[in-house]
Amino acid sequence: EVQLVESGGGSVQPGGSLRLSCAASEFTFSNYAMGWVRQAPGKGLDWVSIITGSGGTTYYADSVKGRFTISRDNSKNTLYVQMNSLRAEDTAVYYCAKLTANGWYYPFDIWGQGTMVTVSS
Amino acid sequence: EIVLTQSPGTLSLSPGERATLSCRASQSVSSSQLAWYQQKPGQAPRLLIYGASSRATGIADRFSGSGTGTDFTLTISGLEPEDFAVYYCQQYGRPPPSRTFGQGTKVEIK
Repeated sequence: EVQLVESGGGSVQPGGSLRLSCAASEFTFSNYAMGWVRQAPGKGLDWVSIITGSGGTTYYADSVKGRFTISRDNSKNTLYVQMNSLRAEDTAVYYCAKLTANGWYYPFDIWGQGTMVTVSS
Repeated sequence: EIVLTQSPGTLSLSPGERATLSCRASQSVSSSQLAWYQQKPGQAPRLLIYGASSRATGIADRFSGSGTGTDFTLTISGLEPEDFAVYYCQQYGRPPPSRTFGQGTKVEIK
């Protein structure tokens, strides 16, 4: 069964950093673009970042550009996001998601269970 | 940036009834690159429809999508108990960084 499992969430003070990981299994990881989508408590979905299969191209929402860095290790079938300069408004469940193909113009078809990030003093 | 407006905000229906959910875009969505997702409480979203009208793998045929340009519709032909959830539309047809979700429509039991 295709599966994505996130880890690394937790509580951090404003201005702090956190790195989330997403372990993928049962599909050829390097063949697909991957992304992060977040959901603030009681709110809707917001895309955060996307990376192509080779890792050569990355995309960021304006709200996180310059603070978050997406990366992947295809030898470990793992996706990452390094989150720096965290703000209270970054508080959310962060989902790892697989796109249906290797590129920007595709939807997310497989989602992880999510990991909670809380930014608070 | 494209804004997606979903209506109604909440739809109160009984099992067996037909649900019609709307997603309106502020600008035309290229090549009908619009998706619908279902999210139940405490769960991750699930892809239902992509390309405006294609059902994702394993999705029941009571779910159907239609529309082009700026107006899109998700129809659930006869609500099952497990269909009561929040539904989001998303466009993925604009160049980066435009990849917006609608605000969601909650389908609740009447």
